[in-house]
Amino acid sequence: QITLKESGPTLVKPTQTLTLTCTLSGFSLNTVGVGVGWIRQPPGKALEWLAVIYWDDVTRYSPSLKSRVTISKGTSENQVVLTMTNMDPLDTGTYYCAHTKPADPGYFDYWGQGTPVTVSS
Amino acid sequence: IQMTQSPATLSASVGDRVTLTCRASQSVDKWLAWYQQKPGKAPKLLIYKASTLESGVPLRFRGSGSGTEFALTISSLQPDDFATYYCQQYHTDVYTFGQGTKLEI
Repeated sequence: QITLKESGPTLVKPTQTLTLTCTLSGFSLNTVGVGVGWIRQPPGKALEWLAVIYWDDVTRYSPSLKSRVTISKGTSENQVVLTMTNMDPLDTGTYYCAHTKPADPGYFDYWGQGTPVTVSS
Repeated sequence: IQMTQSPATLSASVGDRVTLTCRASQSVDKWLAWYQQKPGKAPKLLIYKASTLESGVPLRFRGSGSGTEFALTISSLQPDDFATYYCQQYHTDVYTFGQGTKLEI
């Protein structure tokens, strides 16, 4: 059974760096074709794709956030880490990690429950 | 690639047939997915590759279209279907979501 779970701080101050971890279960990011992405959603607004990392370490980023966002595999085999620098109140929202199907990348078939992040001093 | 969904809000009743539309600013071929999201919950994948139904999704959901024009049709609305629906293109290495259509009673 594939599950993902996001974890990290719920409150960060402006200009700080946010680090979120996605813990994977039921699959491995070492499996050929698999990917994990991050998507966020400001309160009451639409989904916004941030980044994705694939089994072979290929990464893709949203152009609007590329200078601030890094996605990487964690120190543990079953983790994916998102870092976002220079946080702003506009970055407030729920952050989701999600799984892409092997050999069928681009859309997300399993999602974590999401983790809320508030940016405020 | 910009994704534009219409309408922003759609009012309907149980049993109705409804169609939600999604337009891409340039061709995305068939590389489009649809998601359903309920308040406080993560999105749920309904359809991928424009018209392929994800396993376990009821047959009343149907996706169609290609290129720049896509539609999600729900043939007979059930109480559980009232939610917000998002389209997402994955034709390029930069994925984008639409702004969503809220389906309300």
